[in-house]
Amino acid sequence: DAGVIQSPRHEVTEMGQEVTLRCKPISGHNSLFWYRQTMMRGLELLIYFNNNVPIDDSGMPEDRFSAKMPNASFSTLKIQPSEPRDSAVYFCASSPLTGTASGYTFGSGTRLTVV
Amino acid sequence: KQEVTQIPAALSVPEGENLVLNCSFTDSAIYNLQWFRQDPGKGLTSLLLIQSSQREQTSGRLNASLDKSSGRSTLYIAASQPGDSATYLCAVMTGANNLFFGTGTRLTVIP
Repeated sequence: DAGVIQSPRHEVTEMGQEVTLRCKPISGHNSLFWYRQTMMRGLELLIYFNNNVPIDDSGMPEDRFSAKMPNASFSTLKIQPSEPRDSAVYFCASSPLTGTASGYTFGSGTRLTVV
Repeated sequence: KQEVTQIPAALSVPEGENLVLNCSFTDSAIYNLQWFRQDPGKGLTSLLLIQSSQREQTSGRLNASLDKSSGRSTLYIAASQPGDSATYLCAVMTGANNLFFGTGTRLTVIP
């Protein structure tokens, strides 16, 4: 398995533009997570899905952020409109089960810069 | 809310030394604890996973321990090498299937 695949690896955009980050989880994993990493706040959970259904989106900063998982092999995180304070590394992770037995596998991340 | 603290924030050691990284968490009701490694500009690589019923896990030169009742975990690295230089993160999983991360320890192993 190629692991969790994220695209793009880097994204530079102007303030106000729409940004879409993509994630392909490991085949067979039924939980998918979106995290954001900044120097100030470390790693923060934004939202997670079980079996394509959003379970907890309490970490989503505001309405400008939205996430979808239309099928078991694909998820998107969208920011519209983007702001400079959204600049961060966004990670996607997946796990085979919700909870105890297995750990998470992370993608390589998308480094977003909003200018 | 679960809070995870890692001490020290940064550590430099000469090659060959054994070292210990510390992680503490405030809520002992966890399902498991996971140690990750992050290289600069890279993603997270899982090193060791300890279930709440376990006390330790070993992989090569790495040994992780867990004392759930006191809210502590340690990662022991034996015979450190320059290639071990990275940021080490611990994360605890709660019943809500959420991983709470510490802020990490940045390790530098000096040749």
